[in-house]
Amino acid sequence: GESVGLHLPTLSVQEGDNSIINCAYSNSASDYFIWYKQESGKGPQFIIDIRSNMDKRQGQRVTVLLNKTVKHLSLQIAATQPGDSAVYFCAVPGVRQGAQKLVFGQGTRLTINP
Amino acid sequence: DAEITQSPRHKITETGRQVTLACHQTWNHNNMFWYRQDLGHGLRLIHYSYGVQDTNKGEVSDGYSVSRSNTEDLPLTLESAASSQTSVYFCASSESDRVDYTFGSGTRLTVV
Repeated sequence: GESVGLHLPTLSVQEGDNSIINCAYSNSASDYFIWYKQESGKGPQFIIDIRSNMDKRQGQRVTVLLNKTVKHLSLQIAATQPGDSAVYFCAVPGVRQGAQKLVFGQGTRLTINP
Repeated sequence: DAEITQSPRHKITETGRQVTLACHQTWNHNNMFWYRQDLGHGLRLIHYSYGVQDTNKGEVSDGYSVSRSNTEDLPLTLESAASSQTSVYFCASSESDRVDYTFGSGTRLTVV
């Protein structure tokens, strides 16, 4: 089955700096990837997604990069703000029968220092 | 506006009691999911449903059950609560053939 792992459980950056959160996945057949943000006391919230036919996708201050060769994706947050402090999860759908179920990584807690 | 709501937000119960957590969505989504979130384990799938009368077990389904009698609701029942089921529970929903879930705000359950 699919598995998803994150490289660092915690990350601390200075306000205004850029941050990069990494994620690795196991199934080379995975074709869709999602990043979620979870603020304290709330449910995860969709940030951005990317399909396997793309290497890069940009949103508002966020960019997701996908490297299918090494099965790795990253979330870049530009000019971090205090409101970016949260836990960030990457998630991939199951393949075939599990296609509508998401498998989540364990999350990286991002702390923004003033 | 459409939403997905969970109730209660917090609950304390005793070991051995039956507990039901509610999840209600007004998105008209066919897919609904229950996850539990624990430190060191991330989000783990308990049960899920792809439509009315459809229910399926996830990776940590032992001790839990769900029923889907309508599109809007997927209640999660703990048949006999155990301390190992102390956790934060999240319900999510999505359209058919989509996995960009919308999550509820969670229920923090403590079993004493």
